[in-house]
Amino acid sequence: DVKVTQSSRYLVKRTGEKVFLECVQDMDHENMFWYRQDPGLGLRLIYFSYDVKMKEKGDIPEGYSVSREKKERFSLILESASTNQTSMYLCASSLPRGAGKLFFGSGTQLSVL
Amino acid sequence: KQEVTQIPAALSVPEGENLVLNCSFTDSAIYNLQWFRQDPGKGLTSLLLIQSSQREQTSGRLNASLDKSSGRSTLYIAASQPGDSATYLCAVERSAGTYKYIFGTGTRLKVLA
Repeated sequence: DVKVTQSSRYLVKRTGEKVFLECVQDMDHENMFWYRQDPGLGLRLIYFSYDVKMKEKGDIPEGYSVSREKKERFSLILESASTNQTSMYLCASSLPRGAGKLFFGSGTQLSVL
Repeated sequence: KQEVTQIPAALSVPEGENLVLNCSFTDSAIYNLQWFRQDPGKGLTSLLLIQSSQREQTSGRLNASLDKSSGRSTLYIAASQPGDSATYLCAVERSAGTYKYIFGTGTRLKVLA
């Protein structure tokens, strides 16, 4: 069965810390995405990548960066965590545009204190 | 600009009832439309994907239809069960403009035993 794995289910960090969220997919998908989900705001795209070392900004990239050194791994980096980055973070992957389903990981609930 | 709307925002039904969830979108330039299920605190699970050239897809008790010309999709759930309680989201994959998936804000379904 297809799988998107996020490294942590829950994470608690302090303001100002550098935070790494890792995502690995085993489906050889070209596209990978990072979303955050907040009550009342729905899913918002932070960044996506359509190939190794390629990235595109989404709707809310400020305060975040990403890294994709290998096809199966897409990392989200919070350079200096702030309390307004407390959220559920969801990673997803898919085949090239138009080709098929979007698959999600189980999410990381990040709390920044 | 593509917008995706889901009505109602919440729905409560007795067990055994057949029900319909609605999704509407404003721009017909899509590759496909996908329905997801999300349990509290979890990631999204793909239920059905309908390509833009298709009219419907079925999986078990679920049937999704797509009318691209009117910008509407419905998810039909037959003989609802308490285990169907979850939030259901639809998303379209844009085929024009900036590449992205656009999500609705979901319908929160509760099936009462």
